[in-house]
Amino acid sequence: GQQVMQIPQYQHVQEGEDFTTYCNSSTTLSNIQWYKQRPGGHPVFLIQLVKSGEVKKQKRLTFQFGEAKKNSSLHITATQTTDVGTYFCAGSGGSNYKLTFGKGTLLTVNP
Amino acid sequence: ETGVTQSPTHLIKTRGQQVTLRCSSQSGHNTVSWYQQALGQGPQFIFQYYREEENGRGNFPPRFSGLQFPNYSSELNVNALELDDSALYLCASSHLTNTEAFFGQGTRLTVV
Repeated sequence: GQQVMQIPQYQHVQEGEDFTTYCNSSTTLSNIQWYKQRPGGHPVFLIQLVKSGEVKKQKRLTFQFGEAKKNSSLHITATQTTDVGTYFCAGSGGSNYKLTFGKGTLLTVNP
Repeated sequence: ETGVTQSPTHLIKTRGQQVTLRCSSQSGHNTVSWYQQALGQGPQFIFQYYREEENGRGNFPPRFSGLQFPNYSSELNVNALELDDSALYLCASSHLTNTEAFFGQGTRLTVV
Protein backbone atom coordinates (compact mmCIF):
# COMPACT_ATOMS: atom_id res chain seq x y z
CA GLY A 1 0.00 0.00 0.00
CA GLN A 2 0.88 3.65 -0.15
CA GLN A 3 3.60 4.76 2.25
CA VAL A 4 4.62 8.28 3.14
CA MET A 5 8.02 8.85 4.67
CA GLN A 6 9.07 12.03 6.37
CA ILE A 7 12.48 13.25 7.49
CA PRO A 8 13.94 14.28 9.78
CA GLN A 9 12.06 12.79 12.71
CA TYR A 10 13.27 15.55 15.03
CA GLN A 11 14.79 18.97 14.48
CA HIS A 12 16.00 21.38 17.13
CA VAL A 13 16.89 24.90 16.05
CA GLN A 14 17.80 28.20 17.58
CA GLU A 15 15.19 30.89 17.17
CA GLY A 16 15.81 32.69 13.92
CA GLU A 17 17.28 29.68 12.12
CA ASP A 18 15.54 28.10 9.16
CA PHE A 19 13.86 24.68 9.17
CA THR A 20 12.94 22.21 6.45
CA THR A 21 11.06 18.92 6.56
CA TYR A 22 10.84 16.54 3.61
CA CYS A 23 8.14 14.11 2.60
CA ASN A 24 8.36 11.24 0.10
CA SER A 25 5.60 8.97 -1.11
CA SER A 26 6.01 5.45 -2.49
CA THR A 27 3.34 6.23 -5.10
CA THR A 28 2.24 9.21 -7.14
CA LEU A 29 -0.15 11.41 -5.20
CA SER A 30 -3.20 13.30 -6.37
CA ASN A 31 -2.56 15.91 -3.71
CA ILE A 32 -0.58 16.45 -0.54
CA GLN A 33 -1.59 18.26 2.59
CA TRP A 34 0.44 19.62 5.49
CA TYR A 35 -0.71 19.74 9.09
CA LYS A 36 0.72 21.11 12.31
CA GLN A 37 0.09 19.49 15.67
CA ARG A 38 1.06 21.33 18.83
CA PRO A 39 2.06 19.22 21.84
CA GLY A 40 -1.12 17.78 23.35
CA GLY A 41 -3.21 19.12 20.49
CA HIS A 42 -4.77 17.88 17.30
CA PRO A 43 -3.61 18.24 13.68
CA VAL A 44 -4.45 21.61 12.15
CA PHE A 45 -4.60 21.99 8.40
CA LEU A 46 -1.95 24.26 6.90
CA ILE A 47 -2.20 23.85 3.14
CA GLN A 48 -2.98 21.56 0.22
CA LEU A 49 -0.86 21.22 -2.92
CA VAL A 50 -2.37 19.71 -6.05
CA LYS A 51 -0.32 20.64 -9.10
CA SER A 52 3.01 19.20 -10.16
CA GLY A 53 5.82 21.58 -9.18
CA GLU A 54 3.47 23.78 -7.18
CA VAL A 55 4.95 26.24 -4.69
CA LYS A 56 2.83 28.04 -2.11
CA LYS A 57 3.83 30.51 0.58
CA GLN A 58 2.19 31.46 3.85
CA LYS A 59 4.20 34.24 5.47
CA ARG A 60 7.40 32.50 6.62
CA LEU A 61 6.29 29.04 5.42
CA THR A 62 7.03 27.78 1.89
CA PHE A 63 5.51 24.55 0.61
CA GLN A 64 6.62 22.69 -2.50
CA PHE A 65 5.19 19.75 -4.42
CA GLY A 66 7.60 17.81 -6.58
CA GLU A 67 7.37 17.54 -10.35
CA ALA A 68 6.61 13.82 -10.11
CA LYS A 69 4.02 14.45 -7.37
CA LYS A 70 5.80 12.00 -5.08
CA ASN A 71 7.64 14.38 -2.80
CA SER A 72 7.05 17.59 -0.96
CA SER A 73 8.78 19.93 1.45
CA LEU A 74 7.94 22.54 4.03
CA HIS A 75 10.45 25.29 4.74
CA ILE A 76 10.16 27.76 7.59
CA THR A 77 12.28 30.88 7.43
CA ALA A 78 13.53 32.49 10.65
CA THR A 79 11.79 30.17 13.10
CA GLN A 80 9.96 31.53 16.11
CA THR A 81 9.02 29.80 19.36
CA THR A 82 5.42 29.72 18.14
CA ASP A 83 6.52 27.35 15.36
CA VAL A 84 7.07 24.55 17.89
CA GLY A 85 5.11 21.41 17.11
CA THR A 86 5.01 18.35 14.89
CA TYR A 87 4.60 18.92 11.17
CA PHE A 88 2.90 16.17 9.20
CA CYS A 89 2.52 15.67 5.51
CA ALA A 90 -0.45 13.62 4.36
CA GLY A 91 -0.86 12.28 0.87
CA SER A 92 -3.98 11.35 -0.99
CA GLY A 93 -3.98 8.85 -3.83
CA GLY A 94 -6.39 8.28 -6.67
CA SER A 95 -9.17 6.93 -4.47
CA ASN A 96 -9.30 10.35 -2.86
CA TYR A 97 -10.91 9.16 0.35
CA LYS A 98 -7.92 8.38 2.50
CA LEU A 99 -5.08 10.50 3.82
CA THR A 100 -1.82 8.65 4.47
CA PHE A 101 0.21 10.56 7.02
CA GLY A 102 3.93 10.58 7.46
CA LYS A 103 5.35 10.08 10.95
CA GLY A 104 5.93 13.79 11.29
CA THR A 105 8.85 16.03 12.14
CA LEU A 106 8.96 17.38 15.68
CA LEU A 107 10.34 20.90 15.66
CA THR A 108 11.64 22.46 18.85
CA VAL A 109 12.90 26.03 18.95
CA ASN A 110 15.35 27.35 21.51
CA PRO A 111 14.64 31.02 22.31
CA GLU B 1 -11.66 26.19 16.63
CA THR B 2 -12.78 23.79 13.93
CA GLY B 3 -16.31 23.09 15.12
CA VAL B 4 -15.58 19.37 15.27
CA THR B 5 -16.23 18.03 18.74
CA GLN B 6 -15.37 14.64 20.15
CA SER B 7 -16.47 12.92 23.33
CA PRO B 8 -15.25 11.83 25.71
CA THR B 9 -11.85 13.53 25.84
CA HIS B 10 -10.28 10.80 27.93
CA LEU B 11 -11.28 7.22 28.62
CA ILE B 12 -9.81 4.26 30.47
CA LYS B 13 -11.02 0.77 29.60
CA THR B 14 -10.05 -2.76 30.51
CA ARG B 15 -8.78 -5.24 27.96
CA GLY B 16 -11.67 -7.13 26.39
CA GLN B 17 -14.21 -4.37 26.92
CA GLN B 18 -16.01 -2.41 24.24
CA VAL B 19 -15.89 1.35 23.68
CA THR B 20 -17.88 3.92 21.71
CA LEU B 21 -16.38 7.25 20.73
CA ARG B 22 -18.45 10.10 19.32
CA CYS B 23 -17.84 12.91 16.87
CA SER B 24 -19.93 15.87 15.76
CA SER B 25 -18.80 17.12 12.40
CA GLN B 26 -18.47 20.70 11.30
CA SER B 27 -21.58 22.31 9.90
CA GLY B 28 -21.81 21.82 6.15
CA HIS B 29 -19.49 18.82 6.03
CA ASN B 30 -20.87 15.48 4.86
CA THR B 31 -17.86 13.25 5.40
CA VAL B 32 -16.27 11.98 8.59
CA SER B 33 -12.99 10.11 8.79
CA TRP B 34 -11.54 8.40 11.84
CA TYR B 35 -7.84 8.10 12.60
CA GLN B 36 -5.81 6.35 15.27
CA GLN B 37 -2.68 8.14 16.44
CA ALA B 38 -0.26 6.20 18.60
CA LEU B 39 2.25 8.14 20.66
CA GLY B 40 4.98 9.62 18.47
CA GLN B 41 3.33 8.47 15.25
CA GLY B 42 1.27 10.03 12.52
CA PRO B 43 -2.48 9.46 12.36
CA GLN B 44 -3.46 6.14 10.76
CA PHE B 45 -6.65 6.04 8.68
CA ILE B 46 -9.31 3.74 10.14
CA PHE B 47 -12.30 4.44 7.89
CA GLN B 48 -14.42 7.14 6.34
CA TYR B 49 -18.20 7.65 6.28
CA TYR B 50 -20.12 9.54 3.64
CA ARG B 51 -23.91 9.83 3.67
CA GLU B 52 -24.16 7.17 6.37
CA GLU B 53 -22.18 4.58 4.38
CA GLU B 54 -18.60 3.41 4.88
CA ASN B 55 -16.62 4.95 2.05
CA GLY B 56 -13.22 3.38 2.53
CA ARG B 57 -11.30 1.53 5.19
CA GLY B 58 -7.70 1.28 6.32
CA ASN B 59 -5.87 -1.76 7.68
CA PHE B 60 -7.89 -2.20 10.83
CA PRO B 61 -9.70 -5.40 11.91
CA PRO B 62 -13.49 -5.74 11.83
CA ARG B 63 -13.72 -5.14 15.57
CA PHE B 64 -13.32 -1.48 14.60
CA SER B 65 -16.69 -0.37 13.28
CA GLY B 66 -18.54 2.86 12.83
CA LEU B 67 -21.74 4.66 12.11
CA GLN B 68 -22.72 7.95 10.59
CA PHE B 69 -26.07 9.53 11.40
CA PRO B 70 -28.36 11.71 9.21
CA ASN B 71 -26.94 14.84 10.87
CA TYR B 72 -23.45 13.63 9.78
CA SER B 73 -22.28 12.98 13.32
CA SER B 74 -20.45 9.70 13.76
CA GLU B 75 -19.47 6.97 16.18
CA LEU B 76 -16.43 4.72 16.32
CA ASN B 77 -16.93 1.41 18.10
CA VAL B 78 -14.13 -0.87 19.13
CA ASN B 79 -14.89 -4.35 20.47
CA ALA B 80 -12.64 -6.71 22.41
CA LEU B 81 -10.18 -3.97 23.32
CA GLU B 82 -6.50 -4.82 23.27
CA LEU B 83 -3.64 -3.04 25.00
CA ASP B 84 -2.34 -1.85 21.61
CA ASP B 85 -5.59 0.01 21.03
CA SER B 86 -4.36 2.64 23.49
CA ALA B 87 -4.02 5.78 21.38
CA LEU B 88 -5.47 9.16 20.50
CA TYR B 89 -8.53 8.70 18.28
CA LEU B 90 -9.19 11.59 15.97
CA CYS B 91 -12.15 12.30 13.79
CA ALA B 92 -11.96 14.71 10.89
CA SER B 93 -14.83 16.21 8.95
CA SER B 94 -14.58 17.38 5.39
CA HIS B 95 -16.27 17.35 2.03
CA LEU B 96 -15.98 14.15 0.03
CA THR B 97 -13.57 15.85 -2.37
CA ASN B 98 -11.02 15.54 0.43
CA THR B 99 -9.83 19.06 0.65
CA GLU B 100 -9.17 20.59 4.02
CA ALA B 101 -9.87 18.16 6.87
CA PHE B 102 -10.95 19.65 10.19
CA PHE B 103 -9.85 17.54 13.13
CA GLY B 104 -11.51 17.33 16.51
CA GLN B 105 -9.44 17.50 19.68
CA GLY B 106 -9.42 13.71 19.92
CA THR B 107 -10.27 11.07 22.49
CA ARG B 108 -7.36 9.67 24.46
CA LEU B 109 -8.12 5.97 25.03
CA THR B 110 -6.09 3.97 27.51
CA VAL B 111 -6.58 0.21 27.68
CA VAL B 112 -5.29 -1.47 30.83
